[in-house]
Amino acid sequence: KAGVTQTPRYLIKTRGQQVTLSCSPISGHRSVSWYQQTPGQGLQFLFEYFSETQRNKGNFPGRFSGRQFSNSRSEMNVSTLELGDSALYLCASMVREGGNTEAFFGQGTRLTVV
Amino acid sequence: AQSVTQLGSHVSVSEGALVLLRCNYSSSVPPYLFWYVQYPNQGLQLLLKYTTGATLVKGINGFEAEFKKSETSFHLTKPSAHMSDAAEYFCAVSDGGRRGNNRLAFGKGNQVVVIP
Repeated sequence: KAGVTQTPRYLIKTRGQQVTLSCSPISGHRSVSWYQQTPGQGLQFLFEYFSETQRNKGNFPGRFSGRQFSNSRSEMNVSTLELGDSALYLCASMVREGGNTEAFFGQGTRLTVV
Repeated sequence: AQSVTQLGSHVSVSEGALVLLRCNYSSSVPPYLFWYVQYPNQGLQLLLKYTTGATLVKGINGFEAEFKKSETSFHLTKPSAHMSDAAEYFCAVSDGGRRGNNRLAFGKGNQVVVIP
């Protein structure tokens, strides 16, 4: 079974631009979560989508948004990029088994804002 | 809100020596606890998890962890370090997807260096 696929793996953008990152979860998984990883703040939860609906949202400004499609693929968008948005963005494909939920992570998208 | 504390951002261990990474959590509901490993430029790989039942949990690559409710801890150990264990390790807590919340709260991580 294929794992979680995140594209692109690396991205360089200029301040003020916007960016869209993509995540394809494991086949059959309907829940996708996004996390931002930075050296200073560590791993922080951005949002979770389930069946095309945002179910939970972390403490990030409105410049960070996401969506999920009917095939469970998810995208996140960051508008008006700031230098501080440079980070590794991780997507997790979530499945509920045996009464608890397990997360499978993709390799991430490394975003550099210059 | 749930949270995790991992002390000591960098941990050095000699090859063949015990690996011990400490994790303390805070949770208002029975926690689900996880340890993940991250290699450079990679995502997170699950090492082991505690949900319910047996408090000593065995994972991949010879790692194990023990859930101690009285100490709110979930420390990770491996009896004998190998060079391939050099990586960053994260402890995480969730409420197990209760009420539709699958959010993981992570600690700051431990960068493990293995000295030959």
